[in-house]
Amino acid sequence: GENVEQHPSTLSVQEGDSAVIKCTYSDSASNYFPWYKQELGKRPQLIIDIRSNVGEKKDQRIAVTLNKTAKHFSLHITETQPEDSAVYFCAASKSDYKLSFGAGTTVTVRA
Amino acid sequence: DVKVTQSSRYLVKRTGEKVFLECVQDMDHENMFWYRQDPGLGLRLIYFSYDVKMKEKGDIPEGYSVSREKKERFSLILESASTNQTSMYLCASSYPRSYEQYFGPGTRLTVT
Repeated sequence: GENVEQHPSTLSVQEGDSAVIKCTYSDSASNYFPWYKQELGKRPQLIIDIRSNVGEKKDQRIAVTLNKTAKHFSLHITETQPEDSAVYFCAASKSDYKLSFGAGTTVTVRA
Repeated sequence: DVKVTQSSRYLVKRTGEKVFLECVQDMDHENMFWYRQDPGLGLRLIYFSYDVKMKEKGDIPEGYSVSREKKERFSLILESASTNQTSMYLCASSYPRSYEQYFGPGTRLTVT
């Protein structure tokens, strides 16, 4: 099956700085790449996604980039705020609507 | 607003017990999923279902089974619980032909 690797496992940033999380996937048939955010004690929620026919997508302070040739995609958070502290999961999917998740990145935003 | 609920937030069971985890969604979703979440391993798919009475194995089905008798309900069954099944269990659902999954609050299961 699909193997998704995610780095780093933990990330500590100063408030106002940027955070970048990187993921790689193994199956070139994957065509959908979402990012989920899980706050402490809460359920994961979709924050942004990208499809394989798009190279970059932005939504306010978050952006995702995709490099299909290299089979990697990244989440960028700019001007980080305390409420960005959470665990972030990347995932990949083929056309079967199943998601293969990365191991997660714990982001801590220091005030 | 999509609502996915799970029967228990916390559950403690003994080794060898049969355990039922229930998940209910109220949005007429056809797709339903069961994951377990462990530190450093992310979310791993146990079983999923695209329709009533239908089930498919995910990446780690060993030791688990599922039941989907009604569209809104998807049950995860641990036939004989073992300590290595101590974990957080998350249910999710999605519309047909949609990738976005809506998660339940999770059940933290401890097997002693």
